[in-house]
Amino acid sequence: GIQVEQSPPDLILQEGANSTLRCNFSDSVNNLQWFHQNPWGQLINLFYIPSGTKQNGRLSATTVATERYSLLYISSSQTTDSGVYFCAVDLYAGGTSYGKLTFGQGTILTVHP
Amino acid sequence: DARVTQTPRHKVTEMGQEVTMRCQPILGHNTVFWYRQTMMQGLELLAYFRNRAPLDDSGMPKDRFSAEMPDATLATLKIQPSEPRDSAVYFCASGLGRTEAFFGQGTRLTVV
Repeated sequence: GIQVEQSPPDLILQEGANSTLRCNFSDSVNNLQWFHQNPWGQLINLFYIPSGTKQNGRLSATTVATERYSLLYISSSQTTDSGVYFCAVDLYAGGTSYGKLTFGQGTILTVHP
Repeated sequence: DARVTQTPRHKVTEMGQEVTMRCQPILGHNTVFWYRQTMMQGLELLAYFRNRAPLDDSGMPKDRFSAEMPDATLATLKIQPSEPRDSAVYFCASGLGRTEAFFGQGTRLTVV
């Protein structure tokens, strides 16, 4: 079936460190999004990135659709970056895009001061 | 500031009671999703609509859950009767076609 796998499941950093989160998916994608779920439970849009590279401040993301993975880079991490990072994809399955997002299980990031 | 609005934010109810959650999608968005988040299952899709028509509700327990869009500015998710296992955070999201989706703040449901 359709699979979205994120790694690592947990990540602990000291403030100022850099990190890379990975998302592997099982089929071609029509849509790929990265979200940050903050400690209050809000799902915040980080990137809409079905292919290519985007940057927003200290965060950047790259999706290599042909190799079925996406990476989220966090540089100079801050305590406010703590939370859960989700990758969600709208996959082409059997040649059809359903227009719905399937979520990975997330990476729990903890940044210590 | 365009946002998806969900009400109520929190709901505590007794087992067997009806629960109704509401969602106002971003104006102009034609796709609405309902997701449920639990520790065990993560974020799972319950149902979604495009242009108010249901496209997929296979993730929803049919005997007790129902989702509707009475009009373009309102989506509802009902549980009747509610059970303790329905306790979760329910998210609504909206988007335009198959592009970027935006999530509401969620409804935290506790069934006792």
